[in-house]
Amino acid sequence: DIQLTQSPSFLSASVADRVTITCRASQGINTYLAWYQKKTGAAPKLLIYAASTLHSGVPSRFSASGSGTEFILTITSLQPEDLATYYCQQLHSFPLTFGGGTKIEIK
Amino acid sequence: EVQLVESGGSLVEPGKSLRLSCAASGFNFSNGAMHWVRQGPGKGLEWGLEWVSYINMDSSTKLYAPSVRGRFTVFRDNGKKSLYLHLDSLRAEDTAVYYCVREIVGVGTYIWEWGQGTLVTVSS
Repeated sequence: DIQLTQSPSFLSASVADRVTITCRASQGINTYLAWYQKKTGAAPKLLIYAASTLHSGVPSRFSASGSGTEFILTITSLQPEDLATYYCQQLHSFPLTFGGGTKIEIK
Repeated sequence: EVQLVESGGSLVEPGKSLRLSCAASGFNFSNGAMHWVRQGPGKGLEWGLEWVSYINMDSSTKLYAPSVRGRFTVFRDNGKKSLYLHLDSLRAEDTAVYYCVREIVGVGTYIWEWGQGTLVTVSS
């Protein structure tokens, strides 16, 4: 099984800060990686697919990069509504797996 | 507008069974694969996300997470535009919100669309 390791698991940042989340895969997954935003009581919201493609309607302050085993999600200017937990997901091979999540707190 | 509406979640005792349903609308349901994903306290940090099951468009391929294989069964009725998950021999660690997910195949990628989820609580 492909393991995804996210770091950090928790971060506290101020509005307008630049935030970076890392996702490492235990084996190469090309660009079969997605990023989701998960708020309490809501379904996961797709932010990024194919490792770096911004999903329709997602604010441009979200961006991502990576290929193979190292992936990064960046929020260039953190906003209050970005309070959430963020997950990476690999769609390369079954069983499909998610990272453990990164919970963002707004200072 | 694409809609995926899950139902069937409830409080159930350990060892019992439950069937979840997902009613799809707004797209050609019979033309794509579907998944079940859950978010519960059973794995990892707090309430992590866990892929549960996959079924392809004509039900010829069904795949399961190791944690549910042999206990859960996925099936679909393309005529009714519905996806189902039968949960058997339920355990406390199966407590979770269960999401129905539509898979869209792109060029070198997959895009997932999610329902709002249905809560399953396994407890005596």
